[in-house]
Amino acid sequence: DQQVKQNSPSLSVQEGRISILNCDYTNSMFDYFLWYKKYPAEGPTFLISISSIKDKNEDGRFTVFLNKSAKHLSLHIVPSQPGDSAVYFCAARRNNAGNMLTFGGGTRLMVKP
Amino acid sequence: DSGVTQTPKHLITATGQRVTLRCSPRSGDLSVYWYQQSLDQGLQFLIQYYNGEERAKGNILERFSAQQFPDLHSELNLSSLELGDSALYFCASSLSGTSPKRSYNEQFFGPGTRLTVL
Repeated sequence: DQQVKQNSPSLSVQEGRISILNCDYTNSMFDYFLWYKKYPAEGPTFLISISSIKDKNEDGRFTVFLNKSAKHLSLHIVPSQPGDSAVYFCAARRNNAGNMLTFGGGTRLMVKP
Repeated sequence: DSGVTQTPKHLITATGQRVTLRCSPRSGDLSVYWYQQSLDQGLQFLIQYYNGEERAKGNILERFSAQQFPDLHSELNLSSLELGDSALYFCASSLSGTSPKRSYNEQFFGPGTRLTVL
């Protein structure tokens, strides 16, 4: 039972354009959402997060949008740069379940120069 | 560099054997988490320790066990290894075990240990 899903295994975008990575979840008890970026041979690196009481959080080129009614979140990267090429994981934390994270399967983003 | 260290980087062993993976959290972090990433799968939460005590348990097999020591480093023990246990094992740490504040929630991941069971 996958509670966090990233339905696009890969995404290819031209440098300078917008990258939109999507994530869906099923558990309404999730109260905090995070995006992690992972390069090969490295551990995931925290990128940006959003609390369930908000619908948008922005940090530089990265913006995360949360649509609670649709149980959907997305990560926007504008403008995309070749260095953004990596695997992006969406993760969610369940209320009253400690700080354990449930991860999606990841989306491989390729930004072409 | 996240500040979380994991050893060894690579481990190759045979079925039926037992191995120990080690993790040192970031300085000051009290919580340690273990995750498993199998081929073509996302990260699966295994177990969390906070200041030496087990805080949360995920999909961890009975053949696997973990502990967190007084100096806050943690070890993940995998026994009676099977081919399907081949995976990347990540350790992460955070300042606290649970908190609504972003800085406490943020988990910092180590580079992982790649386990190959032949």
